[in-house]
Amino acid sequence: EIVMTQSPATLSVSPGERATLSCRASQSVSTYLAWYQQKPGQAPRLLIYGASTRATGIPARFSGSGSGTEFTLTISSLQSEDFAVYYCQQYNNWPPITFGGGTKVEIK
Amino acid sequence: QVQLVESGGGVVQPGTSLRLSCAASGFTFRSYGMHWIRQAPGKGLEWVAVIWHDGTQKYYMDAVQGRFTISRDNSKDTLYLEMDSLRADDTAVYYCARILGQTLAVADWGQGALVTVSS
Repeated sequence: EIVMTQSPATLSVSPGERATLSCRASQSVSTYLAWYQQKPGQAPRLLIYGASTRATGIPARFSGSGSGTEFTLTISSLQSEDFAVYYCQQYNNWPPITFGGGTKVEIK
Repeated sequence: QVQLVESGGGVVQPGTSLRLSCAASGFTFRSYGMHWIRQAPGKGLEWVAVIWHDGTQKYYMDAVQGRFTISRDNSKDTLYLEMDSLRADDTAVYYCARILGQTLAVADWGQGALVTVSS
């Protein structure tokens, strides 16, 4: 089973600042990596797939990068609606498909 | 627009069974693979099972293998999760989710159904 490790667990950022979230895989997942955003009481929403492709309707301030075992989600200028929990997911080596433990982005 | 509506959640005792349903609309259901993904209260996301668009392939996480069964009825645009021998650690919100194209990423999620296993 591929273990996905996200860091940090909590990221405190001021509105307008840049946020950088990390996701590490225990073995290579190539670029079979997705990022999701989840707000309290809501289902997750797909942001990025294929490590760097934005999903339909996702603003350009969200960008993904990386391959192999190291991945990054960058939010270039945090808006109020971006404060949420973010999860990475690998779908290269399965079953099982695995998620990281999440990074909570909170207001500083 | 894509809609996924889960139903069938509730409070059940350990060792009993429950069936979740997910009614799909807004897309050609028979053309897409589907996941069940769960989230225990206050915890992260956990993949449960996936089924191919035509139902020919099904895969499960180890902890539910042999207890849960994923199935679909493409004539009714409905996905199911039959859960047997339920345990307290199966307590979670269960999301029905549509696969993104040829990947196993999740394009769309339902609103979730809460399953509570408690005596």
